Amino acid sequence: DTGVSQDPRHKITKRGQNVTFRCDPISEHNRLYWYRQTLGQGPEFLTYFQNEAQLEKSRLLSDRFSAERPKGSFSTLEIQRTEQGDSAMYLCASSEKGLAVTGELFFGEGSRLTVL
Amino acid sequence: AQSVTQLDSHVSVSEGTPVLLRCNYSSSYSPSLFWYVQHPNKGLQLLLKYTSAATLVKGINGFEAEFKKSETSFHLTKPSAHMSDAAEYFCVVSDPPENQGGKLIFGQGTELSVKP
Repeated sequence: DTGVSQDPRHKITKRGQNVTFRCDPISEHNRLYWYRQTLGQGPEFLTYFQNEAQLEKSRLLSDRFSAERPKGSFSTLEIQRTEQGDSAMYLCASSEKGLAVTGELFFGEGSRLTVL
Repeated sequence: AQSVTQLDSHVSVSEGTPVLLRCNYSSSYSPSLFWYVQHPNKGLQLLLKYTSAATLVKGINGFEAEFKKSETSFHLTKPSAHMSDAAEYFCVVSDPPENQGGKLIFGQGTELSVKP
């Protein structure tokens, strides 16, 4: 068990470019969550999946954001036409059968995005 | 909607002295509450959770928290701080409750500094 891994760990891009982040959850965890954390703030919920189904999306997730989990394993978060306000740490977490079982999410170390 | 408010953005203590990190919650039903810790360049880690069993909850590394419904509080304490406790701490509520497989809603965070 290698934990939740995220790639890349750091991404610097110019405004208007597209970026994609990947998350590999703990194997056998069927729930996967994306959060965004800006400096000095707590993580904000973006979206989550149960297997390949996207069950909930936050209003924070504008139409420039899209998340997928095509085979119920890894997930990608794509941001199109990046804006400076998208600069943040993007966190991925996974859990086994959701919070109902353990009450615990296992977080990756995050992907830090800087938009110039 | 469920929410948590962390009353202090920064707390500084001396090594060996008690730690108190304050959290109030707002919930329209019996809440599931958590404390997570985030060390620099590390993923978020669960410290402890309350899910309507015992009101005094013990967690890892000597931390504990007490659920007080009358005060809508869930403060985190530790009798004696250690240098390794320096980190960001988040009070978290599940929305909807844990037994319905909810997502986590984070507070703003409290940065704990420990002086030698």
